[in-house]
Amino acid sequence: NAGVTQTPKFQVLKTGQSMTLQCAQDMNHNSMYWYRQDPGMGLRLIYYSASEGTTDKGEVPNGYNVSRLNKREFSLRLESAAPSQTSVYFCASRVDRVGNQPQHFGDGTRLSIL
Amino acid sequence: SQQGEEDPQALSIQEGENATMNCSYKTSINNLQWYRQNSGRGLVHLILIRSNEREKHSGRLRVTLDTSKKSSSLLITASRAADTASYFCATVRDRDDKIIFGKGTRLHILP
Repeated sequence: NAGVTQTPKFQVLKTGQSMTLQCAQDMNHNSMYWYRQDPGMGLRLIYYSASEGTTDKGEVPNGYNVSRLNKREFSLRLESAAPSQTSVYFCASRVDRVGNQPQHFGDGTRLSIL
Repeated sequence: SQQGEEDPQALSIQEGENATMNCSYKTSINNLQWYRQNSGRGLVHLILIRSNEREKHSGRLRVTLDTSKKSSSLLITASRAADTASYFCATVRDRDDKIIFGKGTRLHILP
């Protein structure tokens, strides 16, 4: 089982460039999440999708957009990258938005903005 | 804003000793979860404890929950080098099922 797969694993961008981070899960989960992890800050929620066809803002959505392409895939887009967006990005999925279920994480995308 | 706050921020112990990490939170919760993160990897779920449970075990892990004090602890017994990792608590808020992660405890097991 692949679980949650994120691509790419590493990326370096110049300020102002755009890119899309891809995430796919093969566990038939309804809910998917995007987090960023910065030193000393823990994980902060950027956007989430409670179910296919819905997306909602999290704690730090500014500068990002998301697309829930289908039940399996949830992408995160940086339209105009800024150095403050240098971070490690994690995608996670969960059976449903509610209930006593854990999240399953990918191994992250390490993004540097120069 | 962060709800779960782990304590200590970092912990170094000798292999074979027990490691205890604490998590405090602020609002009413549905459940509390502990995750492990190895260097360069994603978070891995360890154990979930519901708000009506007080203690839960899984192998060498023991989790307690005190809802009156809004705190939880994770005990790892007979630590091994492979336990070296960061450990995060995550609270699932009662009113909206929002999941909030703490900043983590970095555990280092010394040989």
